[in-house]
Amino acid sequence: ETGVTQTPRHLVMGMTNKKSLKCEQHLGHNAMYWYKQSAKKPLELMFVYNFKEQTENNSVPSRFSPECPNSSHLFLHLHTLQPEDSALYLCASSPSTLSSGNTIYFGEGSWLTVV
Amino acid sequence: AQTVTQSQPEMSVQEAETVTLSCTYDTSESDYYLFWYKQPPSRQMILVIRQEAYKQQNATENRFSVNFQKAAKSFSLKISDSQLGDAAMYFCAYRGTYNQGGKLIFGQGTELSVKP
Repeated sequence: ETGVTQTPRHLVMGMTNKKSLKCEQHLGHNAMYWYKQSAKKPLELMFVYNFKEQTENNSVPSRFSPECPNSSHLFLHLHTLQPEDSALYLCASSPSTLSSGNTIYFGEGSWLTVV
Repeated sequence: AQTVTQSQPEMSVQEAETVTLSCTYDTSESDYYLFWYKQPPSRQMILVIRQEAYKQQNATENRFSVNFQKAAKSFSLKISDSQLGDAAMYFCAYRGTYNQGGKLIFGQGTELSVKP
């Protein structure tokens, strides 16, 4: 069992739909991350939250809207996506962003297909 | 900006043999951490091993060890006595000081296959 749980594991949505990805961590961490993994490309950092505050937005289009209501939960709200947004979205957590030595733990990802 | 490069898209090894995966990185920082993550078909990224840049001693975790060459900015992963369960994508990653926002920067990955 992983300490970082993502739901749903698979999502198919139309370009006009609104959906959300959910991430929950059971590790007592204070930092949470969204990464995007597309085929043949390195993982791309999207957002970082530290103690519920967004500390990084890596020039992500506004059709992706993150939400971090508390240190244990992270959402990625999706609306009017494009087919090129189809990818694996990985959530991760770490004790905080303040120590680069902290291990970052990943969930199993949510496969998103935009049709 | 920091970059991580894995020049081997695919590697293959015979079961019980040893294989080395290459990774180079570019940074102007002196204090940082390097990681190797494994991504099996389940897609969960699993930490294999990590190295602190200020430590000269190479990290070791059971059958996994690294060859860290700070001056050359090289960080290779050696897998000894390869097992079928080692087959996966392997990603090298860099994490700088807290000024970098705590983010991991990944290489492109190396797909390792293990032949029985």
